[in-house]
Amino acid sequence: EAGVAQSPRYKIIEKRQSVAFWCNPISGHATLYWYQQILGQGPKLLIQFQNNGVVDDSQLPKDRFSAERLKGVDSTLKIQPAKLEDSAVYLCASSPQGTSGSEQYFGPGTRLTVT
Amino acid sequence: AQKVTQAQTEISVVEKEDVTLDCVYETRDTTYYLFWYKQPPSGELVFLIRRNSFDEQNEISGRYSWNFQKSTSSFNFTITASQVVDSAVYFCALSEGETSGSRLTFGEGTQLTVNP
Repeated sequence: EAGVAQSPRYKIIEKRQSVAFWCNPISGHATLYWYQQILGQGPKLLIQFQNNGVVDDSQLPKDRFSAERLKGVDSTLKIQPAKLEDSAVYLCASSPQGTSGSEQYFGPGTRLTVT
Repeated sequence: AQKVTQAQTEISVVEKEDVTLDCVYETRDTTYYLFWYKQPPSGELVFLIRRNSFDEQNEISGRYSWNFQKSTSSFNFTITASQVVDSAVYFCALSEGETSGSRLTFGEGTQLTVNP
């Protein structure tokens, strides 16, 4: 079974530029998550989708971050405009169900550097 | 609000030593789940174990064992006879059953280095 795929693996941009990340979850997984992991910290949830609907985006900085999951499969996360403090690894995870206690399967992440 | 504390930022041991990683959590929910994940240098988080709040039985899986104590809100992880391949960052995480759906709240992680 293929795991969670993410691209690109690395991205370097200048502040105020825009950037987009892509995630393809495990086939059949209804729930998709985006986490932000700043160096030296644990991952923090940005947004959770159940199929193509948003379940939790309470920690998403909506003035600059946006995400979508068209057709309930792939997802993109966008930052526009980027700030220096957005430098982090962006992790995508998926789960068969979105219930509490569900195991989440993580992708390799996209490492973003904002200069 | 939920919180996970991993007080040990870094631990360094010599191969074959036993090592325990501490995890303390805070939650108001009576139903919740605790997890441990491993993050090797490649960056991908690897699931190790899940425990629900109603099951305080300790668990052993090979060289790994977990001690869950609700009385002290702790969920500690022990590696017996550590190996160099165990070197990674280990995260403890909490998912509350009643208030925040399936969101995982992670601790800050413990960097474990096993030296040959």
